[in-house]
Amino acid sequence: AQSVTQLGSHVSVSEGALVLLRCNYSSSVPPYLFWYVQYPNQGLQLLLKYTSAATLVKGINGFEAEFKKSETSFHLTKPSAHMSDAAEYFCAVIPSGGYQKVTFGTGTKLQVIP
Amino acid sequence: DTEVTQTPKHLVMGMTNKKSLKCEQHMGHRAMYWYKQKAKKPPELMFVYSYEKLSINESVPSRFSPECPNSSLLNLHLHALQPEDSALYLCASSASPPGTALETQYFGPGTRLLVL
Repeated sequence: AQSVTQLGSHVSVSEGALVLLRCNYSSSVPPYLFWYVQYPNQGLQLLLKYTSAATLVKGINGFEAEFKKSETSFHLTKPSAHMSDAAEYFCAVIPSGGYQKVTFGTGTKLQVIP
Repeated sequence: DTEVTQTPKHLVMGMTNKKSLKCEQHMGHRAMYWYKQKAKKPPELMFVYSYEKLSINESVPSRFSPECPNSSLLNLHLHALQPEDSALYLCASSASPPGTALETQYFGPGTRLLVL
């Protein structure tokens, strides 16, 4: 079964510092991968997605993620954190091919310190 | 326009009440989803409708009853809920069913449900 692991349920960074949120997937076949952000009391918003095109994916709000097959990873980065980036971030996976549901990781809460 | 709307935003109901949650999208998407999200947890899939037909039911109790009257509208009927059903209920839609490259799900803001 497909799964994703997000290392670190809480990550704290200083404003202006690099943001790195980790996501590893388990699959013998590269899946489709997504990062979603959820602000307090809101639904999920798509940040970016990997669908087997370019391995470096740029998303909204200055975020990007790199698909690394050798490491089965899809880490999310942003060069400089803003206070407005404080939120919960979910990595999600869909197996390529077939009719299967999306699986979400357990989430990482990002705190940005002024 | 990538908007999914949900009403109401908040709902408080007793265990004997009957209520409904509503979800709407006008993106021409043919798959719609209901998720349940408890605090500090990821969303859990409840139901998937594909081309207005129920295609996935994740063993959800019968006190939750989904309905898809047309391709733009998805309802979740609630009856005899339990306090542990209190959660954020999220609706999502995608252009095509799960398992394809187009299956990016767009989420609504959710309905926060409290069962007393």
